[in-house]
Amino acid sequence: LAKTTQPISMDSYEGQEVNITCSHNNIATNDYITWYQQFPSQGPRFIIQGYKTKVTNEVASLFIPADRKSSTLSLPRVSLSDTAVYYCLVALNSGGYQKVTFGTGTKLQVIP
Amino acid sequence: GAVVSQHPSRVICKSGTSVKIECRSLDFQATTMFWYRQFPKQSLMLMATSNEGSKATYEQGVEKDKFLINHASLTLSTLTVTSAHPEDSSFYICSAPGQRPQETQYFGPGTRLLVL
Repeated sequence: LAKTTQPISMDSYEGQEVNITCSHNNIATNDYITWYQQFPSQGPRFIIQGYKTKVTNEVASLFIPADRKSSTLSLPRVSLSDTAVYYCLVALNSGGYQKVTFGTGTKLQVIP
Repeated sequence: GAVVSQHPSRVICKSGTSVKIECRSLDFQATTMFWYRQFPKQSLMLMATSNEGSKATYEQGVEKDKFLINHASLTLSTLTVTSAHPEDSSFYICSAPGQRPQETQYFGPGTRLLVL
């Protein structure tokens, strides 16, 4: 299972764009990169997933360079409700059946 | 999207008793489910993989006789914490894989267990 490394914590003011980078140097050819958001006392919630280049949905963008050894989650114009822990996961995605290992995650604190 | 539920959402029990936590896939079938444990201010730790119709697979260091897992149907997996002790107090989360290729895992809302 590919190991991931993220900053432990980040602070941002409301309205700013936040970029959280995750390193996964030993990512395998068939691995996908998935980001989850977790609020206190709740289960993780899917944000975005990608394999290479750029993926965008209604809440975030995911940038993956050509070597795929890192990825960056971009949250546009964060609000106080985006304060949460963000996890980057790397796993073979054959229908999600592979067990995944959570890293430390990044605790994002949005400041008014 | 797919929904995974857990019951109860929180439970308080006395030391030495057993507690059962249910994980259900509400609108899809799940032959595999995963159980995690999360202590305060820590990340999720995978405990075991629950397989419908067969024995669960436990991660290293997780006591299979203490954390009994039963995956009796395609929509239900249960985790029973036997003879619970205060150190078992934690947040327990289950997940189930998506149904299509490249679909992610769906997590339940979690169960807060407090052992007195």
